[in-house]
This record gives sequence, structure tokens and C-alpha cells, in this order.
Amino acid sequence: AQSVAQPEDQVNVAEGNPLTVKCTYSVSGNPYLFWYVQYPNRGLQFLLKYITGDNLVKGSYGFEAEFNKSQTSFHLKKPSALVSDSALYFCAVIPKGSGTYKYIFGTGTRLKVLA
Amino acid sequence: NAGVTQTPKFRILKIGQSMTLQCTQDMNHNYMYWYRQDPGMGLKLIYYSVGAGITDKGEVPNGYNVSRSTTEDFPLRLELAAPSQTSVYFCASSPTGLAKNIQYFGAGTRLSVL
Repeated sequence: AQSVAQPEDQVNVAEGNPLTVKCTYSVSGNPYLFWYVQYPNRGLQFLLKYITGDNLVKGSYGFEAEFNKSQTSFHLKKPSALVSDSALYFCAVIPKGSGTYKYIFGTGTRLKVLA
Repeated sequence: NAGVTQTPKFRILKIGQSMTLQCTQDMNHNYMYWYRQDPGMGLKLIYYSVGAGITDKGEVPNGYNVSRSTTEDFPLRLELAAPSQTSVYFCASSPTGLAKNIQYFGAGTRLSVL
């Protein structure tokens, strides 16, 4: 079965330190990859996506993510965390060539940035 | 710039009651989706639509129905509510073309069935 794994339920990081939120996937073919962020009582907001090309993609709010085909991973990173980055982060994939626009979501990782 | 609007924000239902969750978008997007979000489970797709008059089942459609009579509106109907339908429901939309993979979400409807 196709799936997306976010192995950490919660990540704690001190403000100003680099952060990484992990995502690995198991889907057929080369997928489209996405990160979304959810703030309390809000819907998900798009951060960034990987479709093709450079393995390092940059997105909103200073976030970036690196696609690693051999490790089937798409980890979210930011060089210097802010308290305002505290939120719930979701990784999602669309299997390329699946003829669908339907996401497969990970279970989410709660990021807590400590002042 | 409203985007995707969901009503109501909160609702408590008794077992066996019915209700409709409303979703409307003003971005002229053809694709619309309904998800439910349960703690620790991520988002599960209930139904989706690729245009007015066209709907299809997602991963967890049982107990729900949808219709899409206009581009703007995509209501989700719960018939005979059950405690297992206690969840947060999100509506989303996406455009056609190269940007179709990016979805825009409403703020959600928190539903409790007691």
C-alpha cells in the first residue's frame, strides 16, 4: 500500500536553531511531494512542492525541503527557527502518473519552537 | 479575498441526526475536496469533485454524500450521524492547469456526535 510516514509526532527546537521535520514515502513511481502547515483552528496552508528538477526546493516563510530519491525522503528544513513557526506540519504525496490529484497525507508532526 | 469558506465552524449532533456542511469557494476552481482529520491520523479524503456535476468517492466515503451543482459550492451531507463521525472536516479546492496540485483549504468544521 502506498503511504507517507512522518516518524516524529513532535519536534522541539530552540529559537534560532536549525530545524528538520522528516518525511519518507512509499509510492510507485516518482511522486509529486508537498509540505503543508496548519496553525491552530486553521486549515492547511501550502508551503512548498517538488515536481521535478533541483532536489532542493524553497518555499514560504524561509522553509526548504530536499528530495532524496534513493532514501525516498522529503525532509522539511529551516536554517533558523522562529517561535511563530510552531504549528502542525504535514507531508503529502501524489504518485506521478496516477492520473489523480488526490493526496496521500502523512500523520503530521507538531513543531514546537522554544523561546 | 475569501478563498474557501466553510460553515458552520462548530456543531454538536445527536446520534441519528442529519446535517449538511457547507463549503464555497470564490477562486473559480474546478477541483474540490472534502477531508476529515482525526487526531494522529492525518487527513483522509471523503469525496472529491473535478467539476460541476461530477463527484467521486475518496478513501472514507461511507456515511456521507455530496453534490456539486455549481462550481462554487460543494456541500457534504451526513445522514444518520454516528459517534465515529466526530472529527474536524476540511473542504479544499484546487485550480486546473499546472497549479492543480496545490490545494487551498477552508478553516474547518469541528463536529461532535454524541
